Amino acid sequence: KAGVTQTPRYLIKTRGQQVTLSCSPISGHRSVSWYQQTPGQGLQFLFEYFSETQRNKGNFPGRFSGRQFSNSRSEMNVSTLELGDSALYLCASSLAGRNEQYFGPGTRLTVT
Amino acid sequence: TQLLEQSPQFLSIQEGENLTVYCNSSSVFSSLQWYRQEPGEGPVLLVTVVTGGEVKKLKRLTFQFGDARKDSSLHITAAQPGDTGLYLCAGAKSGGSNYKLTFGKGTLLTVNP
Repeated sequence: KAGVTQTPRYLIKTRGQQVTLSCSPISGHRSVSWYQQTPGQGLQFLFEYFSETQRNKGNFPGRFSGRQFSNSRSEMNVSTLELGDSALYLCASSLAGRNEQYFGPGTRLTVT
Repeated sequence: TQLLEQSPQFLSIQEGENLTVYCNSSSVFSSLQWYRQEPGEGPVLLVTVVTGGEVKKLKRLTFQFGDARKDSSLHITAAQPGDTGLYLCAGAKSGGSNYKLTFGKGTLLTVNP
């Protein structure tokens, strides 16, 4: 079974721009979560989607948003990028009713 | 507020040594997971512990969940260079569909040949 895939793997943007990251979960997994990982703060939960609905949300500003499609694929968007948004963005999928996370390789976002 | 404290933050040892890393909290968790993350990759799930006092073994890795379900430890016997990576613990506050995982900041382990 194919794992979680994320595109793109690397991205360089400038302050003020916006970015969209994509995630394809493991086949059969309907829950998709997004995390931001930085050296200082570690792994922080952004949001979780299940059946196209946002089910949980972390403590991030409204510039961070996401959505999930009917095939469970998910996208997250960050608008008005700031230097502090530079991070590894990880997507994880899980089976319905389970909280074990299966992570993708991440998208490394650099904001200059 | 850091709900899960992992220690030590960094650990560098020689191949063949034993080590223990810790994951502590003042909160009770319904379950706790351990992940290992290698450079350039996402975390990979190693184990889930659910019952207070539970011990699980995965080859040379031994995981223990505290009796009060507030803490956990990971012990590695005869460490090998392939064990190098960032070890993360994650606690779940409730089970089922309405969960929220909280991750510790991790222990970065380097095993030197």
